[in-house]
Amino acid sequence: AQSVTQPDIHITVSEGASLELRCNYSYGATPYLFWYVQSPGQGLQLLLKYFSGDTLVQGIKGFEAEFKRSQSSFNLRKPSVHWSDAAEYFCAVSTRGNKLVFGAGTILRVKS
Amino acid sequence: NAGVTQTPKFRILKIGQSMTLQCTQDMNHNYMYWYRQDPGMGLKLIYYSVGAGITDKGEVPNGYNVSRSTTEDFPLRLELAAPSQTSVYFCASSYATGDTEAFFGQGTRLTVV
Repeated sequence: AQSVTQPDIHITVSEGASLELRCNYSYGATPYLFWYVQSPGQGLQLLLKYFSGDTLVQGIKGFEAEFKRSQSSFNLRKPSVHWSDAAEYFCAVSTRGNKLVFGAGTILRVKS
Repeated sequence: NAGVTQTPKFRILKIGQSMTLQCTQDMNHNYMYWYRQDPGMGLKLIYYSVGAGITDKGEVPNGYNVSRSTTEDFPLRLELAAPSQTSVYFCASSYATGDTEAFFGQGTRLTVV
């Protein structure tokens, strides 16, 4: 069965510092991979997705993620974090015909 | 441009009461989903639907029921509320599965006391 692991429950970074959120998945074939962001009291918004082609994908709000098949990873990065990036981030995996499976989430705190 | 709309936003239920969480989408999506979100657990799929009249169980369906009489609406029913159902519930929809984006409502925070 598909599974998604986000090893970091909380991460705190200083405003302006770089960010990397980790995500590892378990699935036999190449999955469809997603990063969603949830601001406090809000629903989830898609940041970016990967399903084929270039392994480095760009998303909204200056985020990017890199798919590494050898490591079964899809880590999310941002070169310079803004205070408004404080939120909870979810990695998710899906395959054609299946449903989204979410990781447990990583809460990002930004300190000024 | 409403997207996915959930009502109510907040609700407190007593043990044993019943209620229906409403979800409607205006994007003509075939696929609709109900998730529950518990701290540190991510989102767990309760039920989903691939079209009007077709529903199926997800990962955590016990204690819930759904129906899908129209493309737009996908209500979630709790028949006998239990404290374990205290959670935040999200409805979502998508055009298809696989590589297509799911759109989420803003959630319903339910407390069972």
